[in-house]
Amino acid sequence: DAKTTQPPSMDCAEGRAANLPCNHSTISGNEYVYWYRQIHSQGPQYIIHGLKNNETNEMASLIITEDRKSSTLILPHATLRDTAVYYCIVRARGSQGNLIFGKGTKLSVKP
Amino acid sequence: GAVVSQHPSWVICKSGTSVKIECRSLDFQATTMFWYRQFPKQSLMLMATSNEGSKATYEQGVEKDKFLINHASLTLSTLTVTSAHPEDSSFYICSARGETSEAYNEQFFGPGTRLTVL
Repeated sequence: DAKTTQPPSMDCAEGRAANLPCNHSTISGNEYVYWYRQIHSQGPQYIIHGLKNNETNEMASLIITEDRKSSTLILPHATLRDTAVYYCIVRARGSQGNLIFGKGTKLSVKP
Repeated sequence: GAVVSQHPSWVICKSGTSVKIECRSLDFQATTMFWYRQFPKQSLMLMATSNEGSKATYEQGVEKDKFLINHASLTLSTLTVTSAHPEDSSFYICSARGETSEAYNEQFFGPGTRLTVL
């Protein structure tokens, strides 16, 4: 699985959009970009995943650059409950291996 | 969506005792379950991969005789921490890989179990 790079921490004002970047310059053609988050003392929660097209669901939007070397997770209207560590993971869908977690980005949403 | 439960959510035990943690996939069958450990302010680290009906595969540095894993059915895996010591205090998280059409090959996580060894 390709390696990802994320900033260690970010702040966001409540009600504003939170844009979390992720670099995955060595991503291969069959690898998807997955985003999970972990709220303090809870298990990871799936947010969204994509291959090359932008994706949106009820939680977030995922913007993947045309060359697929980076992506951005967007939380359109961040709330205090969105404070968590956000993990960007690249992985071939259907891979038999486990998800490998890096250090992620600690997002702090402030009132 | 697919739900994974863990029991107990937290446990405190004395040094030298054994603790069993259960992981269940509630609405799907999981032939593979993963056990992770997370120390404070660190990321999740995989301990072992558990396949139903076969022996678990342990990551390097994880003692298989200390962390006993049983995956006897398609919906249940257990992790037993034997002769627990204070350094085993951690947050243990299980994950199940779905085999239903809805959850095929996706990985779903339990809420975690906080173990404190006194």
